[in-house]
Amino acid sequence: SAVISQKPSRDICQRGTSLTIQCQVDSQVTMMFWYRQQPGQSLTLIATANQGSEATYESGFVIDKFPISRPNLTFSTLTVSNMSPEDSSIYLCSVEGRTSGMFDEQFFGPGTRLTVL
Amino acid sequence: GIQVEQSPPDLILQEGANSTLRCNFSDSVNNLQWFHQNPWGQLINLFYIPSGTKQNGRLSATTVATERYSLLYISSSQTTDSGVYFCAVVPRNALIFGKGTTLSVSS
Repeated sequence: SAVISQKPSRDICQRGTSLTIQCQVDSQVTMMFWYRQQPGQSLTLIATANQGSEATYESGFVIDKFPISRPNLTFSTLTVSNMSPEDSSIYLCSVEGRTSGMFDEQFFGPGTRLTVL
Repeated sequence: GIQVEQSPPDLILQEGANSTLRCNFSDSVNNLQWFHQNPWGQLINLFYIPSGTKQNGRLSATTVATERYSLLYISSSQTTDSGVYFCAVVPRNALIFGKGTTLSVSS
């Protein structure tokens, strides 16, 4: 399995500001994924980040609001821009681990709990 | 896009009881995983099970890919089993989650 760390673990921010969340993996991975979990809800995919190319965003998420960087095969950042209280969520990054199957098992970081006032 | 439906949405059990959670999905998938989200928000991998049956202690899972469903069995439930159980599928390369089953186990 992959070991994933995220920083910060939690933060309280003022509306209109931006927060950058870091995701570090203990091994090189091709794809990294960013998810959002709003209070009491399930997880929703924000974007897929491949090293060396622009992130691919899901419907309802745009690069201006959630810019993503992927500078190498073990690291990615997600920025939540111009925040509003509706952005209060847990943000999680995910990677594929190595399995014997054709499609790899995905593992999640501990998440970043964001509260916007 | 693919639909992932989990049932029941909520489940209340006494310690020691058994339960079955169901996940239906609307299209063929490359992968299926079950997760447990504990009260602190951490997602714990339970099973990677695109097809077949697997067991891990008191938990087991079965996926029938041709009929587009998966089942998670919890036997002799404990209070530490409480939390939200998610089924997630991979139609292309990323996980798409169901809405989850919230399990409460009381002593």
